[in-house]
Amino acid sequence: GNSVTQMEGPVTLSEEAFLTINCTYTATGYPSLFWYVQYPGEGLQLLLKATKADDKGSNKGFEATYRKETTSFHLEKGSVQVSDSAVYFCALSTTGGFKTIFGAGTRLFVKA
Amino acid sequence: GAVVSQHPSWVICKSGTSVKIECRSLDFQATTMFWYRQFPKQSLMLMATSNEGSKATYEQGVEKDKFLINHASLTLSTLTVTSAHPEDSSFYICSANREAGSFRTQYFGPGTRLLVL
Repeated sequence: GNSVTQMEGPVTLSEEAFLTINCTYTATGYPSLFWYVQYPGEGLQLLLKATKADDKGSNKGFEATYRKETTSFHLEKGSVQVSDSAVYFCALSTTGGFKTIFGAGTRLFVKA
Repeated sequence: GAVVSQHPSWVICKSGTSVKIECRSLDFQATTMFWYRQFPKQSLMLMATSNEGSKATYEQGVEKDKFLINHASLTLSTLTVTSAHPEDSSFYICSANREAGSFRTQYFGPGTRLLVL
C-alpha cells in the first residue's frame, strides 16, 4: 500500500543552519507530494507541494524536489530561523488528490 | 485562499457524555471531507471519509458507532464522539477537498482539542 517514511526527530539546529528533513514514499501510480507544517497548538498548514516528477515545490525559503527515481521528497532550507520551530509532515496524495497519507512527522527546534 | 473552520476549537467534557465537532468549508463546497485524529507528538491518522449525502467510510479499526459522522450539506460535516472516555482525548482535525476539474486540493481545519475527564 501507499506509505510515507520520514526521518525521526527531533532535529535541533542553531539559527541560520542548513536544514534537511528526509522523506521517502511508497505509492502506486503517480502521487502528489506535500510538506505540511504544524506550529504548536495549531492545525496543519500546507508548506509546499509537487505534483509530478522533477517538480520543485518552494515556499518561505523551503524547497523540495519530487524525485521519482529515488522515491524521495526531501525538505531543505538554507538558513533556518527560530520561527521555523514546528513539526513538519511529509505526505502523499493518491492520483486525483483524494486521500492524503502522512508520515510520522519530524519535530524541528531552532535555537537562537 | 480556501478556508476550513472547526468548532469548537477545544472542549472539555465528562466521561460518558457525547461531543459534537463541526467542520465547515467557508468559501467552497466540499463533497468530501476527512476526519483525522492526532495523538500527542504523533502523526495524523485518518479516521473516516465523509461523503455528502451518503454514509461515511471508516478506516479499519475505527468504531462507527463511537465516532458518528454526518455530512448533511456541501459545507458542513460533523463528528460526534459518543459516550466519550478519557482514551478519546485527542486532537481532531478535519479537512475538505476543493475540486477544480479533475484535481482536488485538500484544506485542513485548525483542529479541535478534546479532553475527556
